[in-house]
Amino acid sequence: DTAVSQTPKYLVTQMGNDKSIKCEQNLGHDTMYWYKQDSKKFLKIMFSYNNKELIINETVPNRFSPKSPDKAHLNLHINSLELGDSAVYFCASSQDWAALNTIYFGEGSWLTVV
Amino acid sequence: AQKVTQAQTEISVVEKEDVTLDCVYETRDTTYYLFWYKQPPSGELVFLIRRNSFDEQNEISGRYSWNFQKSTSSFNFTITASQVVDSAVYFCALSEAHDMRFGAGTRLTVKP
Repeated sequence: DTAVSQTPKYLVTQMGNDKSIKCEQNLGHDTMYWYKQDSKKFLKIMFSYNNKELIINETVPNRFSPKSPDKAHLNLHINSLELGDSAVYFCASSQDWAALNTIYFGEGSWLTVV
Repeated sequence: AQKVTQAQTEISVVEKEDVTLDCVYETRDTTYYLFWYKQPPSGELVFLIRRNSFDEQNEISGRYSWNFQKSTSSFNFTITASQVVDSAVYFCALSEAHDMRFGAGTRLTVKP
């Protein structure tokens, strides 16, 4: 069983569209994250949720809206997609918000905006 | 602010060579964790090791070893007798306050 799973793995869409990436973890973790990896492989945190509550919201355009229906899920919705949104988006989870826990990543979702 | 520097952008070695990936970090906290992750060509991020700031013991796991030196704020990663399957991007990361900050990564290519 995949511990952190995200779908879709590949997504090609046109500018202006709205799309969602879903993420689920079966590790029983309390904390979930979204990271963005750009074309230069740089990894940057976008959001962090702990028990469905938003904890970290980095400087991300408000076109990006995370939603956590329960602590095992953290979905990412993106409105009005732009070319610069093309990247790999990683969902991740850690045991809790006590900090310093190991973060486990999903396999990534490759988003290409054309 | 915390910062992680991986000065080596790319390294290329021939199989069976030893290779060391450097990681230097900056933090004002006394309690923090350091990590290494591997990202193979398939793209997933694989956790390799976690080390807390109070434990400076070096660690060895098979062909992998890690050298943590607080005096130089470094957490270097050595692969002994490298193999083609070690080819990947390796990320060093620092966690001190509820989020993890990554270095820019080092792309390791191991040639047969």
